[in-house]
Amino acid sequence: EVQVLESGGGLVQPGGSLRLSCAASGFNFNNNAMTWVRQAPGKGLEWVASISGSGGSTFNADSVKGRFVISRDNSKNALFLQMNSLRAEDTAVYYCARARGSGSHQFYSFDYWGQGTLVTVSS
Amino acid sequence: QSVLTQPPSVSGAPGQRVTISCTGSSSNIGAGYDVHWYQQLPGTAPKLLIYANNNRPSGVPDRFSGSKSGTSASLAISGLQAEDEADYYCQSYDNSLNYVFGTGTKVTVL
Repeated sequence: EVQVLESGGGLVQPGGSLRLSCAASGFNFNNNAMTWVRQAPGKGLEWVASISGSGGSTFNADSVKGRFVISRDNSKNALFLQMNSLRAEDTAVYYCARARGSGSHQFYSFDYWGQGTLVTVSS
Repeated sequence: QSVLTQPPSVSGAPGQRVTISCTGSSSNIGAGYDVHWYQQLPGTAPKLLIYANNNRPSGVPDRFSGSKSGTSASLAISGLQAEDEADYYCQSYDNSLNYVFGTGTKVTVL
């Protein structure tokens, strides 16, 4: 059974840092791209960042570029999101999801999601 | 501000058919990229409902169907049921913005 489980959320002050983790199981982790999607309270879904199966290619939303870094450890079936210079507008539930599709990454959907971890940026 | 526009809400009586539109542009849906749809039940994580425009993952009832034409896509729910009450999001790829989600639509069963 495919499972992804996020951890690492919490309360952090503006300007602070936080590292989210996502533990994956039930599939060949290093053959799959992974992504982070967030949802601010009462708002819609926002794509944050994605990483290829090998980790050699990463993509970030403009809203987090230069502040967030996506990475993975294929030996541990783990995905990470290092979040720096956090702002109040980064407050959201952060979801980890597997990215799948045929062909190039532009055609990927996100087929398995974790339950999310809440990040609150406030003083 | 999302580049994929959906109606904020749609509603229907049990058994009826409702459709949700997802309007994009020539840099995303109109560029030929696939459209995917997600269902988010209250208080839960999103779930993939339709992938690659009109394909259902295993376990998704055939009451749900998707289509795409030009710069738009649609999700149809036929035989509406109480458990379909949820938020629905479309998703595609944009040449400038990478992956993009729609603004979301709340489906209410009357």
